[in-house]
Amino acid sequence: DAGVIQSPRHEVTEMGQEVTLRCKPISGHNSLFWYRQTMMRGLELLIYFNNNVPIDDSGMPEDRFSAKMPNASFSTLKIQPSEPRDSAVYFCASRGQGSYGYTFGSGTRLTVV
Amino acid sequence: AQSVTQLGSHVSVSEGALVLLRCNYSSSVPPYLFWYVQYPNQGLQLLLKYTSAATLVKGINGFEAEFKKSETSFHLTKPSAHMSDAAEYFCAVSDKNTNAGKSTFGDGTTLTVKP
Repeated sequence: DAGVIQSPRHEVTEMGQEVTLRCKPISGHNSLFWYRQTMMRGLELLIYFNNNVPIDDSGMPEDRFSAKMPNASFSTLKIQPSEPRDSAVYFCASRGQGSYGYTFGSGTRLTVV
Repeated sequence: AQSVTQLGSHVSVSEGALVLLRCNYSSSVPPYLFWYVQYPNQGLQLLLKYTSAATLVKGINGFEAEFKKSETSFHLTKPSAHMSDAAEYFCAVSDKNTNAGKSTFGDGTTLTVKP
């Protein structure tokens, strides 16, 4: 298994631009999580899905952030418009039914200038 | 509500010395507990997990952790540190009663191994 696949690995964009981060979970996993990691705030859960349905989006910072999971093998996190304070590493993780630990992707390092 | 507290944001040990990373949890229901490791520029990797079987849990790379309910602790240990153990370590807790629930992570402990 290739693990959780995130793209792109690095993204540099200008303030105000739209950014889309992508995630392909492990096949057969039914839960998907989006986290943001910064030095100041550590790991923050943004949103998570079970069986493609958003369960808890209370961690989404504001309306500029949105996430979708149109099918079991793909999810996106979109920021529109982006701001410098959105600069962080964004991780996607998935978990299988009956399992309890996560498998994380390698992350997307986002820099907004 | 559930939370974890990792005592010590930085721990430094000499190669070959004992590694002890501390984690205390708070949970209103029986918890599941985890340790993850993060190497530079990588995602988190599951080291080990406690899911109410044996209280002493063995993980990858020679690490182990002991669940102590009376102390609400889940400290991570390794008898002899190796240079390759240098990384950031995260303790996490999940709600045992909700299989679909989320994990709450601690702030992380950076382990430095001196030659």
